[in-house]
Amino acid sequence: EPEVTQTPSHQVTQMGQEVILRCVPISNHLYFYWYRQILGQKVEFLVSFYNNEISEKSEIFDDQFSVERPDGSNFTLKIRSTKLEDSAMYFCASSDRAGGLNEQFFGPGTRLTVL
Amino acid sequence: SQQGEEDPQALSIQEGENATMNCSYKTSINNLQWYRQNSGRGLVHLILIRSNEREKHSGRLRVTLDTSKKSSSLLITASRAADTASYFCATDGYNTDKLIFGTGTRLQVFP
Repeated sequence: EPEVTQTPSHQVTQMGQEVILRCVPISNHLYFYWYRQILGQKVEFLVSFYNNEISEKSEIFDDQFSVERPDGSNFTLKIRSTKLEDSAMYFCASSDRAGGLNEQFFGPGTRLTVL
Repeated sequence: SQQGEEDPQALSIQEGENATMNCSYKTSINNLQWYRQNSGRGLVHLILIRSNEREKHSGRLRVTLDTSKKSSSLLITASRAADTASYFCATDGYNTDKLIFGTGTRLQVFP
């Protein structure tokens, strides 16, 4: 069964460094998302992406964040200058919106630790 | 804003028993979905129910939706130890496909 994959599974970085989290969505999906989950808290929406542009973003998704689909298979989230509070699990999701439904399928996540 | 709240926060049962988890939300929705998350792992999609549906089944899962009460329930029948996980509801709206997640119910199934 097709699934969303994410790399790396765990990323440790120093505060102020740039990180790029990578995702390979399900191949026939066209809608892509990033969410994050701070330890012990709810899963929070960051951004949605369709047709090579951002559809919607949350207030968390400030100028330090960017997304890109550099080729036909990858979808990346970049954090330009990481802060301690960016430590969280980051999930990528994708959807084909078949039948107008918004079933979103999630990857296993990247655990980001900012020191 | 939409907000999902699940109850109970934690539930412990024996294998073979049924587990019922509830979710409430605040604003009109388009769809409601349930996800499972094993400790420290990714979110597994379980089931989606549309706002115009009242009940849906998938294997041992039964989901109900009451839009007048802005609530949903997830029933897992004949539970197994492998069902031990956190369960979240997530809603989306008519003009947005972002998912708003609830706080989750931690289910522990003892063998």
